[in-house]
Order: sequence, then C-alpha cells, then structure tokens
Amino acid sequence: DIQMTQSPSSLSASVGDRVTITCRASQGIRNDLGWYQQKPGKAPKRLIYAASNLQSEVPSRFSGSGSETEFTLTISSLQPEDFATYYCLQHSTYPWTFGQGTKVEIK
Amino acid sequence: EVQLVQSGAEVKKPGATVKISCRVSGFNIIDYYIHWVQQAPGKGLEWMGHVDPENGETMYAGTFQGRITLTADTSINTAYMELSSLATEDTAIYYCADLKRFWGQGTLVTVSA
Repeated sequence: DIQMTQSPSSLSASVGDRVTITCRASQGIRNDLGWYQQKPGKAPKRLIYAASNLQSEVPSRFSGSGSETEFTLTISSLQPEDFATYYCLQHSTYPWTFGQGTKVEIK
Repeated sequence: EVQLVQSGAEVKKPGATVKISCRVSGFNIIDYYIHWVQQAPGKGLEWMGHVDPENGETMYAGTFQGRITLTADTSINTAYMELSSLATEDTAIYYCADLKRFWGQGTLVTVSA
C-alpha cells in the first residue's frame, strides 16, 4: 500500500498567517492527489484535486502543488473559518490512502 | 440539489453484521463511483472501498477485505455498505461519498457488548 505521510500533524497559527502542509507519498503517484478539509462533526470537503486544481467555490487563498512523492497545501492568509483538520488522499493506486491529517488550531 | 442521505445510527454486538444505506438524489447513481470512508472516534479518515453502480464492480481496502460488501441498487439510486464480524474497533462514523463534491452525513456505528 502507498503510505501518505503528512506533516506537521498539528500546528498553531494566527489569522492572517501563511500555512503550509506537506504530504509525502511512499512511491510516485503522479498528480493523483486531493486535499480535504474537515470541521468537527462535519463530513470532509474537497479543496484541491489533481494536486493543484482548486475545487469550484473554494476560496483562492487555498492552493496546492507538487507531483509524484511530495505535495503541499498552502493557505495564503489563514481565516477564522479555516481552523480545521486537513487530509490528503492519493488515488493513484489501490487501495486509495489518506494521510493521517493535520489539525490547524488557533494560536 | 444533490444529496446523499445515509441510514441512521446503529448499535451492534461484537460478531454481528451492519448494513448501511446511502440514498442518492439529484444525480443518477450510475454516473459516479460511490466510496465508503471510516472515521473512528477522534481519528483520521480511512478509505474502505468503492462500488461502480453501473456494473457492480468493487474495490476494497485490504484492511476490510473479507468483511466488507459494497453494493448498489440502481432502481432506487441507493448504495449499501455491509460490514461483518464486527469488533469494538469498528466503532466509527461511516461516510458514503463520491469523493469529489458530495458526501453523506455519516452513520455512527457503535459496537459494544
């Protein structure tokens, strides 16, 4: 199975900060990666698909980059509604696998 | 409006089987794979598998292989996830989703003696 390792597992940041979350794949996955945001008690929501494409209606402060084994999700200016847990998901090879999550908390 | 509406919470004893439904409205279920995702309390997301409602083909994660059955009834636009030989570690919220835009509300399954 492809292991997806996210870092950091949690971070504290302030409103307005630039935040970067990394996801590393144990083997190359081309750009077959999505980023998801989950708020407590809610279903996840996809933010980014194909590593760098912004899902419709997602604010442009979110961006994704990377290919093969290293990927990043960047929030250019953290907003109060962005405090949540973020997951990457690879869909290059079965079984599809999620990263373990990054919890973004208020500093 | 697209909706995925899941069946209600379940309480099961160890060794039992649970079957959760996911009723799709607003699109034809044959147009998308339906995936299932497990989230144990306070834990991350785990992909369980998917079903192609058009032909019934499935893919399962190894963790659940042998215990999980995913099906779809296209006549009523509904997908199902059946998980057998339940253990306390299977206590979790289970989501159906297309993993693109649409998710069910989640179904809590509690496994307890």
